Amino acid sequence: EVQLLESGGGLVQPEGSLRLSCAASGFTFSNYGMGWVRQAPGKGLEWVSAILSSGDSTYHADSVKGRFTVSRDNSKNTLYLQMNSLRAEDTAVYYCAKDPLLGLDNWGQGTLVTVSS
Amino acid sequence: EIVMTQSPATLSVSPGERATLSCRASQSLSNLAWYQQKPGQAPRLLIYGASTRATGIPARFSGSGSGTEFTLTISSLQSEDFAVYYCQQYHNWPLYTFGQGTKLEIK
Repeated sequence: EVQLLESGGGLVQPEGSLRLSCAASGFTFSNYGMGWVRQAPGKGLEWVSAILSSGDSTYHADSVKGRFTVSRDNSKNTLYLQMNSLRAEDTAVYYCAKDPLLGLDNWGQGTLVTVSS
Repeated sequence: EIVMTQSPATLSVSPGERATLSCRASQSLSNLAWYQQKPGQAPRLLIYGASTRATGIPARFSGSGSGTEFTLTISSLQSEDFAVYYCQQYHNWPLYTFGQGTKLEIK
């Protein structure tokens, strides 16, 4: 059974930093691209970042480019999202998802990031 | 950026009836997915490739369409189907975009 478990969310002040982790199990992690999707309170889904299976190529939405960095450690079956210069509008539940290029077929339960002073 | 527009924003349907949800893309695409999200839960993939059901998805869910117009149909609504539904394009991988969602509520 595929499992994705996010961690690292919490309350952070504006301009602060946070690193999210997503521990994967139940599939060959190194064979799949992965992504991060967020959902602001009461709002819809917004794609944030993606990374290829090898980790060689990464992509970010314009809204987070230059502030967020996606990475992965295939030896640890873990996906990361380093978030710097956080803003109030980054407040959201952050989901990691497995990406077999046929839609995002498995999602974690999400971790809440709140940016507030 | 490909913009996805869903309609209606809210759909009220009685259990046992059919529900039809629409999604329009700002440009022609071939890769479209549908997701279901219940309160407090992560989204779940229902349909990919516009019409292929994901693993474990009941046959009452079907997707259709091509180009810029897509439809998700739920043939006979069960109580567990009342949720928010999102379409998503992955034509422009990995610059995914989602529709704003359709809330399916009990009439």
